[in-house]
Amino acid sequence: DIQLTQSPSFLSASVGDRVTITCRASQGISSYLAWYQQKPGKAPKLLLYAASTLQSGVPSRFSGSGSGTEFTLTISSLQPEDFATYYCQQLNSYPLTFGGGTKVEIK
Amino acid sequence: EVQLVESGGGLVQPGGSLRLSCAASGFTFSDHYMDWVRQVPGKGLEWVGRIRKKANSYTTEYAASVKGRFIISRDDSVNSLYLQMNSLKTEDTAVYYCARVAGAGYGYNDYWGQGTLVTVSS
Repeated sequence: DIQLTQSPSFLSASVGDRVTITCRASQGISSYLAWYQQKPGKAPKLLLYAASTLQSGVPSRFSGSGSGTEFTLTISSLQPEDFATYYCQQLNSYPLTFGGGTKVEIK
Repeated sequence: EVQLVESGGGLVQPGGSLRLSCAASGFTFSDHYMDWVRQVPGKGLEWVGRIRKKANSYTTEYAASVKGRFIISRDDSVNSLYLQMNSLKTEDTAVYYCARVAGAGYGYNDYWGQGTLVTVSS
């Protein structure tokens, strides 16, 4: 199985900060990676797919990069509504797997 | 508007069975693969399994943790997805989400239901 390791698992940031979350795969997954945002009590929401393609309706302050084994999710200027938990997911091979999550909290 | 609505969750004893349903609307259900994903309260996401569409013979994939105990099925005539859960264990306690697989080839989930809670306890 492909393991995904997200870092950090927790980060504290202020409104307006640039935030970067890393997702490392235990083996190469090309660009078969998606990023989701989840708020408490809600279902996950798709942010990006194919590592760097922004889902329709998602603000452009979200961006993704990487291929192979190392990927990043960047929020260019953190907004109040961005405080949430973020997950990466690999779609390269079964079983599909998620990273452990990164919780972004208000400093 | 795409909508996915799960139902069927509840309290069940260890070793018991439960069947979850997911009613889909707002899109051509038969054109899409569908997934089940679960989340232990306060923990991360775990992919449970996938069912492909008719053109792919409705074949399925499962996580090792549920393989042999859970069965995913679908009824395209009523736009519904199902998860039959047998031999339930306490570690199966979670919120279960159904999710649509986008048709773009990368296999990501572009729409999710609100989830239904399954509690396995004596």
